[in-house]
Amino acid sequence: EVQLVESGGGLVPPGGSLRLSCAASGITVSSYWMLWGRQTPGEGLEWVAGVRHGGGETHYVDSVKGRFTISRDNAKNSLYLQMNSLRVEDTAVYFCVRDRIDWGQGTLVTVSS
Amino acid sequence: DVVMTQSPLSLPVTLGQPASISCRASQRLVHSDGNTYLDWLQQRPGQSPRRLINQVSKRDSGVPDRFSGSGSGTDFTLKISRVEAEDIGVYYCVQGSQWPWTFGQGTKVEIK
Repeated sequence: EVQLVESGGGLVPPGGSLRLSCAASGITVSSYWMLWGRQTPGEGLEWVAGVRHGGGETHYVDSVKGRFTISRDNAKNSLYLQMNSLRVEDTAVYFCVRDRIDWGQGTLVTVSS
Repeated sequence: DVVMTQSPLSLPVTLGQPASISCRASQRLVHSDGNTYLDWLQQRPGQSPRRLINQVSKRDSGVPDRFSGSGSGTDFTLKISRVEAEDIGVYYCVQGSQWPWTFGQGTKVEIK
């Protein structure tokens, strides 16, 4: 059974940083596209960042380029999202996703003063 | 970016009756590898999304056969042959053919 467990969400002021983690079991993260998606009541679902299997090519949605970094640790079988220069509009539930197939339970990030 | 437009956004249904959701892409979704990466997700209240259909018409493991997907190019459809109470929630189409992958706005399926 595939399990993706996110952690690291919380309340942070605008301009602050957070690092999200996703611990995977039942799969090998290096063998799949791994992504972070987010969901807000107003804006719906959005892919934030993805890292391809194999060589590890990364992709970001324009609104987070230069601020967010996706990475994975194959030894720990984990996925990360380093989020810097956070903005109010980054407030959302963030999901770890295996190749659009399996979704974690999500972690809430709130950016507010 | 590829814009995904779903209709309707709200779908009141009668239990046991069929339901249909449309998804239109602003560009053709055929990937350079020849496949069309159009999926359908279900999100029940309080839960994470769950994929039901991948590559237009392939049901994921454990998905009841009352769910079916069809379409090609830019126009796609999700059909539920007979709606059951557990089917209540929001349904999203999502394309994975061109980055950034993009979602439709979601269709809320509720009981009449």
